[in-house]
Formats: sequence, C-alpha cells, structure tokens
Amino acid sequence: AQKITQTQPGMFVQEKEAVTLDCTYDTSDQSYGLFWYKQPSSGEMIFLIYQGSYDEQNATEGRYSLNFQKARKSANLVISASQLGDSAMYFCAMRERQTGANNLFFGTGTRLTVIP
Amino acid sequence: GAGVSQSPSNKVTEKGKDVELRCDPISGHTALYWYRQRLGQGLEFLIYFQGNSAPDKSGLPSDRFSAERTGESVSTLTIQRTQQEDSAVYLCASSSRTGGRAGYGYTFGSGTRLTVV
Repeated sequence: AQKITQTQPGMFVQEKEAVTLDCTYDTSDQSYGLFWYKQPSSGEMIFLIYQGSYDEQNATEGRYSLNFQKARKSANLVISASQLGDSAMYFCAMRERQTGANNLFFGTGTRLTVIP
Repeated sequence: GAGVSQSPSNKVTEKGKDVELRCDPISGHTALYWYRQRLGQGLEFLIYFQGNSAPDKSGLPSDRFSAERTGESVSTLTIQRTQQEDSAVYLCASSSRTGGRAGYGYTFGSGTRLTVV
C-alpha cells in the first residue's frame, strides 16, 4: 500500500485565490511527521511546512497552512493568496518512527499552476 | 557551503557504463540522504548516512548501486553497468538532526539528471 497518496496530478488556481492540495497517508505508527515540499522547475526541493502527529494545532508558515485531520489520515496543504511564483510541483511526505525514522516517504506530487 | 551542491548537474551516459554522482552537503550536517526521482514520480529513498554509523542501504534497488561517504563530508553515489531504467534525477539532501523532526531540517540539492542512452 502507498504510504502517501496525492490524488491530484494537476491543479489550477487563479492568482490571489486560495488552493488546497490533498494528501492522505497510511501508517500504523502512533508517532510520525508529515511534510510538504515545493519543487520548482529548477528541480530543488524546498521545505514548506511540518506537522507532527502529536501536534494538536494545525501548522502554519506564512501563506501555507496544513489542514491536519488525524482520524481521516489526511494532511492537506492550503496556500492562501496564490502568487505566480507558487507554480511548481508539490510533494507530501511522511516519516514514521517505527521504520527507524531514517527516510521520508514521498507522494507522486501535484503540479500547481497559478493563472494570472 | 551555503547549500547542498551536486555534480554534475546533467550526465548522459551509454548503457553499460559506470557513473559517479557527487554530493557536497552543508558543512556540519551529519545526515545525508540520496533519493531518486523518475520522470513524473515522487522521490524514492535510496540510502542514508549518519555520521560514522553504518549506512541504511535499504532503498538501493540493486547491487549495481553503491554509495560512500567519508565522515561528514562528500558522498558519491555510483551506478555500475547503467541501464536505461536508471535514467532519473538523483537528489541528495542533508540534515543537521536525526530522528524525530529530522525531516524538518532537510536541505536538498538541485539534483543530477542522469540519462542513459
């Protein structure tokens, strides 16, 4: 089974609007961390936001927020006030404590296009 | 350096040849990771180094793949007898933390795009 599922291969959003990128995860571990990364056309992976499984509040970092619904095992990324520079691939990832916490499992990504 | 540096940025090689990819992590980062990203796919974990501990090689797809790292410095990923399915972007990341929120501190390089013809 896939540990991270991103069901939206591509998304479009109007500039200045908000957009939600979906991510669901699969783990039997009680302790885990969820991450979102942005990959622009340059190829570099840029860390955006982190949510720990025991964190009670949703993580926020500037225009990024993570809608963490533990019971549903979802960790959707919300980008508010989209900008043209937000056009990129976005990857959801998870680290589990039980696997030794040495690596992140990544989803297949969502390509976001911001329309002027 | 200021970031994770990878070289070469692009490599085209003939099937059957060996290739070496290099990663220069951020100074002081004890953890180093290699990932593979095939076209249109997510990142696939290959190998993890932490200080002088034995590396976690659980993600290496075959014995044609190997990696080395001396201490907390440069790492090289070697692919022997390359095959066309090895064509991908190989990303390196380093981190100053281990376990727990270690991923919080991942810094990725820009990758090496490998094309096997």
